[in-house]
Amino acid sequence: DTEVTQTPKHLVMGMTNKKSLKCEQHMGHRAMYWYKQKAKKPPELMFVYSYEKLSINESVPSRFSPECPNSSLLNLHLHALQPEDSALYLCASSQDEFNYGYTFGSGTRLTVV
Amino acid sequence: GQQLNQSPQSMFIQEGEDVSMNCTSSSIFNTWLWYKQDPGEGPVLLIALYKAGELTSNGRLTAQFGITRKDSFLNISASIPSDVGIYFCAGLNGANSKLTFGKGITLSVRP
Repeated sequence: DTEVTQTPKHLVMGMTNKKSLKCEQHMGHRAMYWYKQKAKKPPELMFVYSYEKLSINESVPSRFSPECPNSSLLNLHLHALQPEDSALYLCASSQDEFNYGYTFGSGTRLTVV
Repeated sequence: GQQLNQSPQSMFIQEGEDVSMNCTSSSIFNTWLWYKQDPGEGPVLLIALYKAGELTSNGRLTAQFGITRKDSFLNISASIPSDVGIYFCAGLNGANSKLTFGKGITLSVRP
């Protein structure tokens, strides 16, 4: 299995809703990432997990809350989002944090209304 | 902070032509990566380069890791319509876990 699987593919949520994005990989990768991408821009790093521990939070607002239940799973919990948070949310994984190419999932297209 | 420079923003070529894209930086990177992204999808890793001077091919794609570790190029030969997309270069410096992306080049292929 050489894939990173993200669900759901599309999500529309209101500003008062709570939802979660899910990411799964079975490549034995020990680093997992959340990125946010706006149209025609490169992905922007949000969070890095290394060996199931949060190692980087790029000053992301607390309405985004990451969770790594085990080495294969990564969640992003969303609460009280703003319309400007609408974007493509990408999960990625790699063998380690520092030296290896990242494998990205297909992303969740999030729309906040 | 570290930056990767990709230009131009867009390239237009005829089907069957070869195309070359450059990525440069003022900083050294230990790993250079080339990704392609289709609309609504995540970036797909095309080629990963781990050693200065390394030249690697993947089908019609060839990429090189510059000797100075501050640049890389990607060549696509005999382009086809499905080569359309955004091509990002990205780099890791080995000292932190932040993958630095270039701004991307949008490639259009005229049939």
